[in-house]
Amino acid sequence: ELKVEQNPLFLSMQEGKNYTIYCNYSTTSDRLYWYRQDPGKSLESLFVLLSNGAVKQEGRLMASLDTKARLSTLHITAAVHDLSATYFCAVTPWNSGYSTLTFGKGTMLLVSP
Amino acid sequence: DAEITQSPRHKITETGRQVTLACHQTWNHNNMFWYRQDLGHGLRLIHYSYGVHDTNKGEVSDGYSVSRSNTEDLPLTLESAASSQTSVYFCASSESSSGGYTFGSGTRLTVV
Repeated sequence: ELKVEQNPLFLSMQEGKNYTIYCNYSTTSDRLYWYRQDPGKSLESLFVLLSNGAVKQEGRLMASLDTKARLSTLHITAAVHDLSATYFCAVTPWNSGYSTLTFGKGTMLLVSP
Repeated sequence: DAEITQSPRHKITETGRQVTLACHQTWNHNNMFWYRQDLGHGLRLIHYSYGVHDTNKGEVSDGYSVSRSNTEDLPLTLESAASSQTSVYFCASSESSSGGYTFGSGTRLTVV
């Protein structure tokens, strides 16, 4: 059974600080996705990582993938209040034909002044 | 613009009733999925379909069914609603995993 673990599950940050969210998964895969969810809203795609060593950046967020370690990171640089949301990572295992997503439990990020 | 829509946005139903949640996408995607979201569990896969007349069970399929009669729609049916099925339900679609997944806006279902 594929397991996807995120940590921390809750993160309270001050504006201007840096931090990293970690996503570990238990099976072979080279496809990992990061989503953002605001309260009461749907999931917004942030990054799609499709190979070992992939790195993508958008604004203050940067995601990377290490398939050998089965680890992805979401790095937050100089956090601002607008980044407050819940962040999910999700993995498609190779034996599902790269189709079904398995999600982590999410990291609730709160950025305060 | 292409989109994926879910209806209703909110529904309250009684225990034992049959309920159907609608999902309609205009992306022309072959792959469609239903997830439920519960606090402390993230999103869990209920059922999915790779194309017309294809359906598959996910991690938490007991008590749910789907059918795929065309490319655009994948309705989710709760055969006999239970309080444990109170949740937020999300539909998603994709053409391929490399292209990512698009999620609907969700249906909040309360079973009383």
